Amino acid sequence: ETGVTQSPTHLIKTRGQQVTLRCSSQSGHNTVSWYQQALGQGPQFIFQYYREEENGRGNFPPRFSGLQFPNYSSELNVNALELDDSALYLCASSLSMGGDEDTIYFGEGSWLTVV
Amino acid sequence: DQQVKQNSPSLSVQEGRISILNCDYTNSMFDYFLWYKKYPAEGPTFLISISSIKDKNEDGRFTVFLNKSAKHLSLHIVPSQPGDSAVYFCAASAGNRDDKIIFGKGTRLHILP
Repeated sequence: ETGVTQSPTHLIKTRGQQVTLRCSSQSGHNTVSWYQQALGQGPQFIFQYYREEENGRGNFPPRFSGLQFPNYSSELNVNALELDDSALYLCASSLSMGGDEDTIYFGEGSWLTVV
Repeated sequence: DQQVKQNSPSLSVQEGRISILNCDYTNSMFDYFLWYKKYPAEGPTFLISISSIKDKNEDGRFTVFLNKSAKHLSLHIVPSQPGDSAVYFCAASAGNRDDKIIFGKGTRLHILP
């Protein structure tokens, strides 16, 4: 039990549609990151939010966007879905990112299938 | 270009023996390294970490060794148990709040009875 919950756990969308994935972090965790894990790959960093502002972004197009809310929940939005967006999307939270004193907690992920 | 490389996609080890998972990195700015374990259909769970000021960190059956000059780290599991069968991800960061964690592609460890 990591204290990070994601919803939905599984969903199927059609190419061109939009999807919103949600994550609820542990209370007090100011940093949340989203990762995309395709089959056979390690998690790829999408972006990171710290105190409701984006402060880091990986190599993903602008149709991937996010929000972080004051209640430690966050969203990942993907517009104009493509078949290659099919993957496991992981949310991770921590008090702050990096450092020996910090631990990052992952949710169990949302499986997205685009058909 | 992969900054964190796990060159063995899979590894099979007899129960009770030592499992050694290897990881190489290219970015000399990395100073904090982590290992995650992932079971099917679950998110990765943190296993053990090491800072670049150390060359060894031990936690029960798990030990991580860091060779900064070779930009290489390894995870040793001894003795290996059936529940250790999972995918293991090596990850690295520069340790700053603004830096993301870079993951390797993972190594699937299979513990044989």
